[in-house]
Amino acid sequence: EVQVLESGGRLVQPGGSLRLSCAASGFTFSSYGMSWVRQAPGKGLEWVSVISGSAGSTYYADSVKGRFTISRDQTKNTLYLQMNSLRAEDTAVYYCAKSGANWGSFRFDPWGQGTLVTVSS
Amino acid sequence: DIQMTQSPSSLSASVGDRVTITCQASQDINNYLNWYQQKPGKAPKLLIYDASNLETGVPSRFSGSGSSTDFTFSISSLQPEDIGTYYCQQYGHLPLTFGGGTKVEIK
Repeated sequence: EVQVLESGGRLVQPGGSLRLSCAASGFTFSSYGMSWVRQAPGKGLEWVSVISGSAGSTYYADSVKGRFTISRDQTKNTLYLQMNSLRAEDTAVYYCAKSGANWGSFRFDPWGQGTLVTVSS
Repeated sequence: DIQMTQSPSSLSASVGDRVTITCQASQDINNYLNWYQQKPGKAPKLLIYDASNLETGVPSRFSGSGSSTDFTFSISSLQPEDIGTYYCQQYGHLPLTFGGGTKVEIK
């Protein structure tokens, strides 16, 4: 069964840093792109970042560019999101999702259960 | 960035009714559009990809159509388990963007 499972969310102070992880299983991890999508409390979905299967290509939403870094460890089948200079508006449930095999095939399936990041003093 | 305008933002319909949601892109995105269902307290689930292709295992009462800038998502006969919020998502251009969502309730 194809699965992704996020971890690492917690309460963090404004200006702080946090690294989220997403463990993948049930598929050849290095063959697929992966994305992070977030959802602020009571709000809609906001795409955050994507990385290609080879890790050769990445892209970010303007709202996180320069502060967040997406990466992957092919040996551990794990996706990461390093979040720096956190702001209150980054408070959200963060989902990781498997993307397509080809760069440009950006459909998200499946999604993890999400991990909550709260930025507050 | 491509803006995705989804309507209505909410709707209430009876069991068995046909439900239709529209999504309009601010630029031509060919058929690069997906539809997701999010049930309360759960992660989103892919229902339709490439505007009209039904994801494996998704009931056939769900369907999608459209191309370029105008897209439609339909539920042919609304069931109680269909309550939740539905989102369109374009991938014709980076950054990827979602519509604002349509909350579907049972009347």
